[in-house]
Amino acid sequence: QSVLTQPPAASGTPGQRVTISCSGSSSNIGSNFVYWYQQLPGAAPKVLIYRNNQRPSGVPDRFSGSKSGTSASLAISGLRSEDESDFYCAAWDDSLSGRVFGGGTKLTVL
Amino acid sequence: EVQLVESGGGVVQPGGSLRLSCAASGFTFSDHYMDWVRQAPGKGLEWVGCSRNKARSYSTEYAASVKGRFTISRDDSKNSLYLQMNSLKTEDTAMYYCSSVTAGYWGQGTLVTVSS
Repeated sequence: QSVLTQPPAASGTPGQRVTISCSGSSSNIGSNFVYWYQQLPGAAPKVLIYRNNQRPSGVPDRFSGSKSGTSASLAISGLRSEDESDFYCAAWDDSLSGRVFGGGTKLTVL
Repeated sequence: EVQLVESGGGVVQPGGSLRLSCAASGFTFSDHYMDWVRQAPGKGLEWVGCSRNKARSYSTEYAASVKGRFTISRDDSKNSLYLQMNSLKTEDTAMYYCSSVTAGYWGQGTLVTVSS
């Protein structure tokens, strides 16, 4: 059971907008930055969003992050077939003195 | 170009030990907090532990699942991060990634298999 809660699966058709949620608590998302990672099959994770809503250079602006209270969201607009992968949220947890990850969301592009 | 290259993975028997290494380049390693993150086959990401930088006295933190068995160290003069794993269990079988989670830098991982 992960400290951060994500839906195990999400789906959409090409061109659609999809949102993936990440729910935590006051000791993690509520007081620390949220990071989002994309993991393609057989590859290492790649950062999509850092510090809640910042996009590294090279990440398309189709990806956006937001945070409100103890929850965060990753939005993907203009869905493309190559977006089909696993997505993870992460944050530091002050109570655990450690980093926590969500269980991951498998995105399917129909 | 930022690179993190892990090495040292392999097959080990339960109760055995293994030392993983991570060689960093392309960024100022000494400034960064560094993490080890693992992923069991077919499972999600699990944080193993981290080493803070010199400014934070190289202090370390560990996940409860590995505390007392695993030790993280670093050598800034060699731009290297290490993970000493003792008393290994079958549930430690995973791909182990070296990462600066907050900077978004990840290696390609090294596979550790604990099996008799």
